[in-house]
Amino acid sequence: EVQLVESGGVVVQPGGSLRLSCAASGFTFDDYTMHWVRQAQGKGLEWVSLINRDGGSTYYADSVRGRFTISRDNSKDSLYLQMNSLRTEDTALYYCAKDMWGYGGNSFDYWGQGTLVAVSS
Amino acid sequence: EIVLTQSPATLSLSPGERATLSCRASQSVSSYLAWYQHKPGQAPRLLIYDASNRATGIPARFSGSGSGTDFTLTISSLEPEDFAIYYCQQRSYWPPATFGQGTRLEIK
Repeated sequence: EVQLVESGGVVVQPGGSLRLSCAASGFTFDDYTMHWVRQAQGKGLEWVSLINRDGGSTYYADSVRGRFTISRDNSKDSLYLQMNSLRTEDTALYYCAKDMWGYGGNSFDYWGQGTLVAVSS
Repeated sequence: EIVLTQSPATLSLSPGERATLSCRASQSVSSYLAWYQHKPGQAPRLLIYDASNRATGIPARFSGSGSGTDFTLTISSLEPEDFAIYYCQQRSYWPPATFGQGTRLEIK
């Protein structure tokens, strides 16, 4: 059974930093591109970032480029999101999502339950 | 960036009825469109990928159609567990892989 378990969400002040983690199990982690998707309270889903299978290619939404860094450790079946220079508008539930296709076809067939990031003074 | 517009924003129906949800893209996305179901407190669930293909384990009452700019998700006979928010998402032009704003399917 595929499982994705996010952690690391907390309350942080504007301008602060945070690292989210996602522990994956139930599939061959290094065969798949992985994503972060977020949802602000009362809003829809927003794709944030992706990383390819070996970590050599990464992409970001314009809203987070230059502030967030996605990474992965295939030896630990784990995905990360380093979030710097946080803004109030980054407040959201952050989901880790598995790409349906290994190469990064950008459909998301499994999601975690999410971890909540709140940016507030 | 591709903009996806879903309609209606809210759909009120009774169990057993047929639900038809629409998603329109600002430009053609070919057949690269997916549908997700999202219930509060739960992980989103992939229902349909590439416009018309049911994901693993999805009941046959869910079907998708369309291509280009106009897409439809149909639930043939609503079950109580189907009341949720539904999102469409395109993967034709990325980044970013954009989502629609969602349709809330509520019990009438």
